[in-house]
Amino acid sequence: EAEVAQSPRYKITEKSQAVAFWCDPISGHATLYWYRQILGQGPELLVQFQDESVVDDSQLPKDRFSAERLKGVDSTLKIQPAELGDSAMYLCASSRQGSNSYEQYFGPGTRLTVT
Amino acid sequence: GIQVEQSPPDLILQEGANSTLRCNFSDSVNNLQWFHQNPWGQLINLFYIPSGTKQNGRLSATTVATERYSLLYISSSQTTDSGVYFCAVATGTASKLTFGTGTRLQVTL
Repeated sequence: EAEVAQSPRYKITEKSQAVAFWCDPISGHATLYWYRQILGQGPELLVQFQDESVVDDSQLPKDRFSAERLKGVDSTLKIQPAELGDSAMYLCASSRQGSNSYEQYFGPGTRLTVT
Repeated sequence: GIQVEQSPPDLILQEGANSTLRCNFSDSVNNLQWFHQNPWGQLINLFYIPSGTKQNGRLSATTVATERYSLLYISSSQTTDSGVYFCAVATGTASKLTFGTGTRLQVTL
């Protein structure tokens, strides 16, 4: 069964350092999402791609976060510099199209700890 | 934005018991999904159910879109059912999911 892949699974970094996460969606899924989940809360959208284009990045802290999906397949989310408050689970999801009628599938996530 | 509320926030069951989890939402939706988050943080898809009723083994779900709520039924619970259950919805022309606050379920022997 096809799955969303993410790496690394765990990352510990010091504040002010740069960190990057990678996501490979299910093959054929045009829409890719990055969510952030703070401990004890539900995930919240950071950025959404339709193919290689950003559809929604309204909740992305653009002063330190960046995301790209250059070829419309896999994606990278970067934080520079990391802050203590960035400690969270970063989840990638994909769906077949941008339509709101398609099911989203999530990867295993990257758990980030900033010290 | 849309509000999603789940109840109860916490639930402790003995193995073999049945339970009902509820999700209320404040606006019409075009997508509603139920997830189980396991202890490692993985979100497992349970149901894609913007309306109607579905069943999968010991789990079933019903969404009454006109009344803006969804229910997840767990029958004959097992210890492996423990974890956090999330309801998530999409509304309007956006496809992003807005998650509820979750129900933390613990199934004991």
